Amino acid sequence: KAGVTQTPRYLIKTRGQQVTLSCSPISGHRSVSWYQQTPGQGLQFLFEYFSETQRNKGNFPGRFSGRQFSNSRSEMNVSTLELGDSALYLCASSSGQGTGELFFGEGSRLTVL
Amino acid sequence: AQSVTQPDIHITVSEGASLELRCNYSYGATPYLFWYVQSPGQGLQLLLKYFSGDTLVQGIKGFEAEFKRSQSSFNLRKPSVHWSDAAEYFCAVGAPNDYKLSFGAGTTVTVRA
Repeated sequence: KAGVTQTPRYLIKTRGQQVTLSCSPISGHRSVSWYQQTPGQGLQFLFEYFSETQRNKGNFPGRFSGRQFSNSRSEMNVSTLELGDSALYLCASSSGQGTGELFFGEGSRLTVL
Repeated sequence: AQSVTQPDIHITVSEGASLELRCNYSYGATPYLFWYVQSPGQGLQLLLKYFSGDTLVQGIKGFEAEFKRSQSSFNLRKPSVHWSDAAEYFCAVGAPNDYKLSFGAGTTVTVRA
């Protein structure tokens, strides 16, 4: 059974640009969550989607957005990039039944110059 | 809102020695508790979880954790560490139907020969 797949694995952007990250969950999982990991702030919850609906979101500015497609794949977008957005962005999938265990991808490492 | 404290930022242990990582949580009701491990450049892998029932939980790779409600703790233990256990360990707490996890800051484990 394939795990959670995130693309791209690495990317470099400059301030002011925007970026889109993609996540394919484990087959059969309908929930996708996104987390930002930085050395200073640790792991912070961005948002969670289930059946194309956002069920919860973290305390991030509106520049961070996401969506989920009918096949459960998810994308997150960050607009008007800032230096502080440099981070490892982790996607996790789960069955979506309540707050269950999360299965994480290897992450997309974003560097903003 | 739930939160997690991992008091130890870094622990060094000799190969073959026992390991205990501390985790204290804050949540009003019975929480969902998790321990994850992250190797450099990788995503997070679930070691074990506690939802209810037996307070001593067995996980993968020889790890176990004990839920102590009176102390609001969920400490992770391993009787004999291997060099491959060197990694960063994260404790996380979730609430039913909250669809997100709150992570501690992590504990980095170094294993010396």
